[in-house]
Amino acid sequence: EIVLTQSPGTLSLSPGERATLSCRASQSVSSDLAWYLQKPGQAPRLLIYDTSSRAAGIPDRFSGSGSGTDFTLTISRLEPEDFGVYYCQQYSSPYTFGQGTKLEIK
Amino acid sequence: QVQLQESGPGLVKPSETLSLTCTVSRGSVSSGRFYWSWVRQSPEKGLEWIGYIYYSGSTNYNPSLRSRVTISLDTSRNQFSLKLTSVTAADTAVYYCARDSAPSRWYVWGQGTLVTVSS
Repeated sequence: EIVLTQSPGTLSLSPGERATLSCRASQSVSSDLAWYLQKPGQAPRLLIYDTSSRAAGIPDRFSGSGSGTDFTLTISRLEPEDFGVYYCQQYSSPYTFGQGTKLEIK
Repeated sequence: QVQLQESGPGLVKPSETLSLTCTVSRGSVSSGRFYWSWVRQSPEKGLEWIGYIYYSGSTNYNPSLRSRVTISLDTSRNQFSLKLTSVTAADTAVYYCARDSAPSRWYVWGQGTLVTVSS
């Protein structure tokens, strides 16, 4: 089973700032990686799939990059609705998630 | 836009079987090439993929749960279901149903339902 490690655990930023979140895989997942945002009491929401493709309805301030074992989610200018917990997920069966990065308002 | 809604008992006794249903609206479980999945979330284990069933009926389960899990389709009721046998406290979690055209990512989710395993 592939283990995903996200960093940092918590990121404190202000609206308008740039956010950079990292995800490292215990072995190569090629480009088979997705990112989700979860807010309290809600299901996760798919943001990015196949490392860099935005899901339907996701604004272009969200971008993903990387390959192999190291991946990055970048939010160019934070909006108030972007705060929550971000998870990366790889899709080599069994599919696994990272432990999450909490993005909080500074 | 398709909508998913989980339902089932919120409390299950240890060693018994957890049974949940996901009702699909504004879409059909038997049309379109979709994968119908279950994912759970607990404070201890985080997000954990349980398994999926394809519209054709083929399934794939997480090896860590395979011996206890069954996912099935009920096309007459436009639902799909999860059964998890021999539950323990470690199975306490919020259970989500989800759908996508790929087996390994999830665009549409239900709101989730909390299942507690306790006597």
